[in-house]
Amino acid sequence: NAGVTQTPKFRILKIGQSMTLQCTQDMNHNYMYWYRQDPGMGLKLIYYSVGAGITDKGEVPNGYNVSRSTTEDFPLRLELAAPSQTSVYFCASSPATRTDTQYFGPGTRLTVL
Amino acid sequence: GEDVEQSLFLSVREGDSSVINCTYTDSSSTYLYWYKQEPGAGLQLLTYIFSNMDMKQDQRLTVLLNKKDKHLSLRIADTQTGDSAIYFCAEINAGNMLTFGGGTRLMVKP
Repeated sequence: NAGVTQTPKFRILKIGQSMTLQCTQDMNHNYMYWYRQDPGMGLKLIYYSVGAGITDKGEVPNGYNVSRSTTEDFPLRLELAAPSQTSVYFCASSPATRTDTQYFGPGTRLTVL
Repeated sequence: GEDVEQSLFLSVREGDSSVINCTYTDSSSTYLYWYKQEPGAGLQLLTYIFSNMDMKQDQRLTVLLNKKDKHLSLRIADTQTGDSAIYFCAEINAGNMLTFGGGTRLMVKP
């Protein structure tokens, strides 16, 4: 199993550009999550999904969108990039309930200039 | 609201014990976690403790929970250079949201 994979590893965007961060897991997990980690801070939950077709907002959803058309994939979309979205983005998945262990991807480092 | 606090930095010598502390405010927390993040990597779950437990031991790791003071600690015995990383504590509360602390950077000197 590859676990949770994320692409790209690094990206620089200009203000107002858009992009999609990809996340795929091959563990057949129902729950998937997107977090952002700002320097010196803990992770903040952006969006999560409890299964294909179901998504919900986390703590900091503004400026982002998600979709979950398959169990494996949970892409995160930034429509109009802003400098405040400069961060490291982590995708995670867990088997069944939200209290199960979450498995994290390696992260995507995004800079918006 | 929920808040999880950790000190920013800890430096120890190889072979010593490390103790990383965490305080939280949400008394409805059901599970508390310790995650490790190595440079350029995602978070790796180290251990967790249920809120009705006081202590959990797992090889070199000992987790202590003081519910009255809302204080959680992670003790690493015989700390090695490979333990150098950032350690995050996190809680999951009745709302089923994971809240992370800001992380403690552990530096192990040879």
